[in-house]
Amino acid sequence: GQNIDQPTEMTATEGAIVQINCTYQTSGFNGLFWYQQHAGEAPTFLSYNVLDGLEEKGRFSSFLSRSKGYSYLLLKELQMKDSASYLCAVRDSNTDKLIFGTGTRLQVFP
Amino acid sequence: SQTIHQWPATLVQPVGSPLSLECTVEGTSNPNLYWYRQAAGRGLQLLFYSVGIGQISSEVPQNLSASRPQDRQFILSSKKLLLSDSGFYLCAWSRESAEAFFGQGTRLTVV
Repeated sequence: GQNIDQPTEMTATEGAIVQINCTYQTSGFNGLFWYQQHAGEAPTFLSYNVLDGLEEKGRFSSFLSRSKGYSYLLLKELQMKDSASYLCAVRDSNTDKLIFGTGTRLQVFP
Repeated sequence: SQTIHQWPATLVQPVGSPLSLECTVEGTSNPNLYWYRQAAGRGLQLLFYSVGIGQISSEVPQNLSASRPQDRQFILSSKKLLLSDSGFYLCAWSRESAEAFFGQGTRLTVV
C-alpha cells in the first residue's frame, strides 16, 4: 500500500523562504511529483524527482531522499500568488499509479 | 502539443439521478488515464485508472463506474447519485512513468 504525509497548513511572509515536507511509504517507487493547486482550479505540475538530490527550477526547488522516503519543496522569494495548496504525489512502480498526499495549504502574508 | 478536455465545468444534479462526465485527450496515443475526486479542502483520491481501452482499475468501492471506449476517451458514470458523491472531479493523463496533466475539473453538487 501507499502512505503519503504532508503538513496540513503553513504560513509564511512575502519575500521569505518556505520548505514543505513530504514523507512517503510505498510498496514500489518510481518518482515523486509536486503540484500546485489554486483554490477551485486543477493542479499544475511543478517538479519531478526520481533520483536522490535537488532539482532547481527558478524560485522552486525539490529534494528527494529515497532511502528516507522523504522529499521537500522549497519556495524562495515568496510572492502573494504563491498562496495555494501544494500536493506531493508518488508513482508506484508496481502499478504505475500516481498517488497523492492530502496537500499542504500555504498562505503568504504581506 | 497535448491537451485534455473535461466537461462540464460545473454540474448540479438531484439525488438518484444518473451521471456522465467525459474526458478526452488530444495529441498523444495510448495515454494512462485517471479519474480523481477531491472533497472540499482535501487531497486527491484516485477513483479509477486505465492503461488501455477497456482496462479499468477501480481503487475504492463506490457508487461510480468508469469506461474507456476509445484510446483517448475516459468516462465517469453513476446510475444513481448520492449526496456523498458531491466533490471536484478531475481527469488526468500521463505517459508511462511521467508527470500527469489535469483537465479543468468538474464541480459536482448533488442536491
